Amino acid sequence: QQQVKQSPQSLIVQKGGISIINCAYENTAFDYFPWYQQFPGKGPALLIAIRPDVSEKKEGRFTISFNKSAKQFSLHIMDSQPGDSATYFCAASSNGATNKLIFGTGTLLAVQP
Amino acid sequence: NAGVTQTPKFRILKIGQSMTLQCAQDMNHNYMYWYRQDPGMGLKLIYYSVGAGITDKGEVPNGYNVSRSTTEDFPLRLELAAPSQTSVYFCASSYSVALVSGELFFGEGSRLTVL
Repeated sequence: QQQVKQSPQSLIVQKGGISIINCAYENTAFDYFPWYQQFPGKGPALLIAIRPDVSEKKEGRFTISFNKSAKQFSLHIMDSQPGDSATYFCAASSNGATNKLIFGTGTLLAVQP
Repeated sequence: NAGVTQTPKFRILKIGQSMTLQCAQDMNHNYMYWYRQDPGMGLKLIYYSVGAGITDKGEVPNGYNVSRSTTEDFPLRLELAAPSQTSVYFCASSYSVALVSGELFFGEGSRLTVL
């Protein structure tokens, strides 16, 4: 019940296309859903995050869509660029705190020029 | 402003050896964390600390120990290295755990191989 299931494991998208990564969870106590981006040889860095009181959050080309009833959330990258090529992790935590994040297994995104 | 600094970046250990992974942050963050990252498994929380002198177990604490004597430093100790501890280890810190300011800042990782 503490798991966050992420798919796909890898994704290839053409430059200018839309990248979509999905995550699902079971624990209804989760109340914070961030996405982290990791470039090769670097640590993850916060990309965007959402709380369950909103259904969508957009920051530039990156959008989180959240479906509370389905217990799913997804990351959409519009106009994908080669510089977006990285590993993306969804995560979740509960109790209004970020100190015990449960991470998904990651999605390796490759944007082809 | 270096952020979160981890040393060493790479290390090879023999089974049964001990070592300490060092982590230091210069952002005056109260909260610090150790994660391990394995292929296809995401990141798993090993230990975390809410301040100097206070530590707690995460998801996968077995085989590891931590201490937090200062706000800046949070070393991770492996006492008897096993092949299952081959992984990339990430240290992270955050100013708080509140949703607004609870962003985790990660170091660049320490790749450990146990043979």
